[in-house]
Amino acid sequence: GQNIDQPTEMTATEGAIVQINCTYQTSGFNGLFWYQQHAGEAPTFLSYNVLDGLEEKGRFSSFLSRSKGYSYLLLKELQMKDSASYLCAVRDGEGAGTALIFGKGTTLSVSS
Amino acid sequence: EAQVTQNPRYLITVTGKKLTVTCSQNMNHEYMSWYRQDPGLGLRQIYYSMNVEVTDKGDVPEGYKVSRKEKRNFPLILESPSPNQTSLYFCASRPMGNYGYTFGSGTRLTVV
Repeated sequence: GQNIDQPTEMTATEGAIVQINCTYQTSGFNGLFWYQQHAGEAPTFLSYNVLDGLEEKGRFSSFLSRSKGYSYLLLKELQMKDSASYLCAVRDGEGAGTALIFGKGTTLSVSS
Repeated sequence: EAQVTQNPRYLITVTGKKLTVTCSQNMNHEYMSWYRQDPGLGLRQIYYSMNVEVTDKGDVPEGYKVSRKEKRNFPLILESPSPNQTSLYFCASRPMGNYGYTFGSGTRLTVV
């Protein structure tokens, strides 16, 4: 079956670094996405990995290991506004109609 | 501005009263999708459409209908809403190919 696992909650302090892990077991793989979602708002795109390795984008980086079915999102120099839910999503096939399968999300709380 | 527009943002209705949630995108995207988001369950796909007049069921289609008569619009129809359809609904669109979604702002539906 399709399964995407993330920790439910994490806490960190301002200025720190936090790593949010995601493991997946899907029937196929054609890319992994990370989204940020503030409470009651729409998810917004953060990053995309389809090949193994690290993608860096400012304070946010995302890593993928396809052989291990594993990804992480790294947030540096944490700010209060980074308090949000972070969603890991996998596209499990190459067909035009394949959907994104979402994990349940990790709620990150950043304190001062 | 490129966006996905959903209406209404908030809706309280009674069991059995038909309703429609509208979704429109101005990015000429072929692929559109409806998700519902519930605490502890994450985002689950209801229906999707790969182009005009092409729609298909997602993971939780029961109790919902959709139509895609024009490329930009993808309304979600609840013929006879029930309390278990109380949820936060998101419409999303993307181009064909391996791209992430752009999400609408969400519709919080309460069925009493």
